[in-house]
Amino acid sequence: QSALTQPPSASGSPGQSVTISCTGTSSDVGGYKYVSWYQQHPGKAPKLMIYEVSQRPSGVPDRFSGSKSGNTASLTVSGLQAEDEADYYCSSFAGSDKVVFGGGTKLTVL
Amino acid sequence: EVQLVESGGGLEQPGRSLRLSCAASGFSFGDYAMHWVRQAPGKGLEWVSGISWNSGRIGYADSLRGRFTISRDNAKKSLFLQMNSLSAEDTALYYCAKGVSFSHIASWGQGTLVAVSS
Repeated sequence: QSALTQPPSASGSPGQSVTISCTGTSSDVGGYKYVSWYQQHPGKAPKLMIYEVSQRPSGVPDRFSGSKSGNTASLTVSGLQAEDEADYYCSSFAGSDKVVFGGGTKLTVL
Repeated sequence: EVQLVESGGGLEQPGRSLRLSCAASGFSFGDYAMHWVRQAPGKGLEWVSGISWNSGRIGYADSLRGRFTISRDNAKKSLFLQMNSLSAEDTALYYCAKGVSFSHIASWGQGTLVAVSS
C-alpha cells in the first residue's frame, strides 16, 4: 500500500488549463474505477471534486474534469481562476478494503 | 446538512492510548461507510481506516501495524478510533469522514488534533 505519485506542484495563469497526474499501480488506480480527487485550501477540510474517475458532485464547476489511462489518473482544471489555488489530492481504492492517497499537488494560479 | 464533529484529541505521551469519537448528524448515518483520515502538520492526507455501514467490512492502512481499531455505533450515530501504542509519527489532525463505501469520501469533519510527545 504505497502512496500514489503526484507532482509536488503545478501552475497556470488565469484562464489557462492545467492537468495534474496521479500514478499508481494495477492494484489501485489501474485496477478499479474508484479514483477520486480532493481540493484543500489552507486551514480547511478537503472537498470532494471528482469521484469514480470522472464524475462531478453537485456544485462542483464543470471546469474540473477527471480521466484515467492505465495506472495514471488525471485531474484537469480548465479556465483557471484565482480560487482554484489550493492543494489537490488523488485517492484510489486499493483492494482488500484499503484506500490510498497521493502525496498532493500544490496548484498555483500565477 | 452533513455535520461531523470529532473529539478526543489532545496531547499524549508515547506508548499511551487515545480514543477518538465522531458525532454525526444531518444524514442517515447507518447507511454510509465511515473513514478516518489524518494529516500530519504540513504534510499530505493519509487514509487511516474505514468501516462499512454494518461493520461488515473494515480496513486499515498497512502503516498502522495493528495498533488502531475502528468501530461504530449506528444507534448513537457515532464513529470511534481506538489508538494504542502511540508514537510521534501519529501526531496529526484526524478527520472523520463520510464515505460512499470505499469508493470515495463525500464529506469531512473539521478534525481533532492528536499530538504525541513526552
